[in-house]
Formats: sequence, structure tokens, C-alpha cells
Amino acid sequence: DTEVTQTPKHLVMGMTNKKSLKCEQHMGHRAMYWYKQKAKKPPELMFVYSYEKLSINESVPSRFSPECPNSSLLNLHLHALQPEDSALYLCASSPNHRTGNYEQYFGPGTRLTVT
Amino acid sequence: AQTVTQSQPEMSVQEAETVTLSCTYDTSESDYYLFWYKQPPSRQMILVIRQEAYKQQNATENRFSVNFQKAAKSFSLKISDSQLGDAAMYFCALNSGGSNYKLTFGKGTLLTVNP
Repeated sequence: DTEVTQTPKHLVMGMTNKKSLKCEQHMGHRAMYWYKQKAKKPPELMFVYSYEKLSINESVPSRFSPECPNSSLLNLHLHALQPEDSALYLCASSPNHRTGNYEQYFGPGTRLTVT
Repeated sequence: AQTVTQSQPEMSVQEAETVTLSCTYDTSESDYYLFWYKQPPSRQMILVIRQEAYKQQNATENRFSVNFQKAAKSFSLKISDSQLGDAAMYFCALNSGGSNYKLTFGKGTLLTVNP
């Protein structure tokens, strides 16, 4: 089973709202990722969690706050977003990178619109 | 730094025919991994095929195969017997392993399949 699930599928929020995106995988993967993707562009890496620890912060604005409660769950907390943050947000996971297996499996994404 | 270049923004193919998507890359690492991902209009990013740099044999997955030319840093994807469901954006991606979890994506090639 190579399934990564994400909720919600669609989200519309105002610039003063606080919302959260959720991601879950049950493949035993120990690395999880958040990406932002604009239309017809490749995904841009936002955060990486490896063994529940934040490993890379790509200088993403502080209005995006990741959280990894356990090895299967990954959240992205959103606060005071701007219209330019409207995009598809993709979650991905990958097997134990310590064994050299780096392929990433993506979820279906959350389409976020900031009004 | 690692880069991935896809020089064909758009391609089209007739149903049942064969099409080749081009990808070139650059990395200073000797151990790395290359991937092709497919993203249909439904938006989920799907792993199509993977190639480890240390393997000389080209990877194959059913109708999908790659032509991996390590010296030329080329990694093209061949789709045989094209089907309507193959229509999608295709991204070439590179991961150079080690402690670097980052996938570097090309800009993508939009493939249209004509009936």
C-alpha cells in the first residue's frame, strides 16, 4: 500500500483565519514532507521531517507552521496567510532514508484558496 | 548544487504510438537517484519509474522505460503504446542521497494523447 492521505481536499480561508492541513501515511515511512505547488509548476519543498524531527526549513514564512505528532501524521498549521499563498499543498513520505531509499510518495493534495 | 532540465514544455502523441520525454541533469555526487513522476489533471503526483545511478541496466515498468546515459547525464522516458490515461504533466526528478532528502524537479513536460 503506497497511500498517503490528505485532508481537506479543498480549503478556502480568509487572511485572518487559522486552519490546519493534515497528512497521514501507514507505510512505516520515517520521512515526511510538505510541498507547495503553483499551477503548471513543479512542487517546491517547504519542510522535511525525518524521524519526527524537522530536518530542513526552507526559509518558509512563519505563517506556515509544521507539526509532526508521530511518525504517521504530519500537520501544516496556517495563520494570517496572504492571497499569494493560494496553491496546491502536497504531502509526501519516503522510506527509511538511512538505507538509501529516497523515492517519495505523494498524497492527492489540498487545494488552498486565500481570499 | 543539482539541476534538472526538461527542454520540452509540451509534447503530443497519437494513441497507441510511442513518445520519448527528455531530461538532463547535473550533480557532483556519484551516488544518486532519478525519478519520473506523472501528475494528471486530478493532481496526484504518481511515481512512474526510478533509476539508481549505480545500476547500468535501464529501468522498465510495463509500458514505461528509461534511457539512462550516465556520462551524458541524460535520463529520458519512453512511453510505448500510449493510452489516453497517460495524458499528464511529467516531472523528472533527482535526489543525490546521503543526508540530502531534497528532490530537485525539472519544470515538467505536458503530454497530450490524441485519440
